[in-house]
Amino acid sequence: KQEVTQIPAALSVPEGENLVLNCSFTDSAIYNLQWFRQDPGKGLTSLLLIQSSQREQTSGRLNASLDKSSGRSTLYIAASQPGDSATYLCAVEGGAQKLVFGQGTRLTINP
Amino acid sequence: DTGVSQDPRHKITKRGQNVTFRCDPISEHNRLYWYRQTLGQGPEFLTYFQNEAQLEKSRLLSDRFSAERPKGSFSTLEIQRTEQGDSAMYLCASTLARRLNTEAFFGQGTRLTVV
Repeated sequence: KQEVTQIPAALSVPEGENLVLNCSFTDSAIYNLQWFRQDPGKGLTSLLLIQSSQREQTSGRLNASLDKSSGRSTLYIAASQPGDSATYLCAVEGGAQKLVFGQGTRLTINP
Repeated sequence: DTGVSQDPRHKITKRGQNVTFRCDPISEHNRLYWYRQTLGQGPEFLTYFQNEAQLEKSRLLSDRFSAERPKGSFSTLEIQRTEQGDSAMYLCASTLARRLNTEAFFGQGTRLTVV
């Protein structure tokens, strides 16, 4: 059974810092990994999708990496801004064709 | 297209009542998923459809839950005889199932409170 873990559960950093969020998964047989952002009381917004054959994806100040063999992904956020404050979720899709989510990292950027 | 749409956004109901939620996926997407999220947790899979066929249901989906996707378009999720433990955010997602890219897009969710 696939299990996804995100560390840390919460993170607070000053504005302008670069930061890394971590995601690990137990079964390396995945099709892709997706990072999402969730604002309080809202739905999920897709940030980046990394296919299993890819090592990384970039979108603006965000860079996600994938090391399938070790079961790890990182989301790097450059030059953080208060508007980046949200919960970040990673999810993997395997042969069961559904997403398995971690519990998320609650990020706070302090002005 | 405006993305995945869910209705209502919020629902407060008394224990024992039935509730129904609706999800309209992105129009060309052939897969539709329902997830449930409780406070502080990641979403958990409930069920999914490919076109009109319901292909998998989680053990989380008790007999009080039923989902439909008539004609492979919108979907409804009904909860009968609601219990306080059903209080959660119910999220719908849709994808266009292709082998290499199955990016999932989520709606804003329906927040259910059972009192």
